[in-house]
Amino acid sequence: GDSVTQMEGPVTLSEEAFLTINCTYTATGYPSLFWYVQYPGEGLQLLLKATKADDKGSNKGFEATYRKETTSFHLEKGSVQVSDSAVYFCALKNNQGGKLIFGQGTELSVKP
Amino acid sequence: EAQVTQNPRYLITVTGKKLTVTCSQNMNHEYMSWYRQDPGLGLRQIYYSMNVEVTDKGDVPEGYKVSRKEKRNFPLILESPSPNQTSLYFCASSPRPALGVYEQYFGPGTRLTVT
Repeated sequence: GDSVTQMEGPVTLSEEAFLTINCTYTATGYPSLFWYVQYPGEGLQLLLKATKADDKGSNKGFEATYRKETTSFHLEKGSVQVSDSAVYFCALKNNQGGKLIFGQGTELSVKP
Repeated sequence: EAQVTQNPRYLITVTGKKLTVTCSQNMNHEYMSWYRQDPGLGLRQIYYSMNVEVTDKGDVPEGYKVSRKEKRNFPLILESPSPNQTSLYFCASSPRPALGVYEQYFGPGTRLTVT
């Protein structure tokens, strides 16, 4: 079945460091890919998405490119801030129905 | 304000005592879903509903029930809670998913502890 695998956390970075959180997926057909972010004590919020191969999603300085050849959707940010500390979830959705399949989440902690 | 609300936010209960977690959305969304979040497992879908009176099992439905009698509400029912249902629960909604790729809007979560 479809699945999403993320790099394990926690990831601890200093402010202004470069961030990469790896995400790879297994799916039939052509899924849509998402990154969701969960700030402490809150629900998940959509961070960015990509709906087809080579699409780049971007928001709040974060980017991710849909790479079909490597089945990946890595999240990157050039300069993280303390306020980016959160748990990040990679997810996919196939074209049937609304079901999202989530990775296990990667906790990011940014220190001043 | 467009939102998904859940109640209660925190609940401690004992094994076997029936409980209901309510979920309501004010965005007129067709699709609603329940997830549970456990450390190292991400979010796993419990049940979902494509529209009123249409519900279906997700990946981990055992021990849970749902109903969708109105478009805005999607309660999660635990008839006889057990300690392995201790978890963080999220309700989510989105517009008609079969027509395209839509963002899912999540509620704030309900932390349930079953002793």
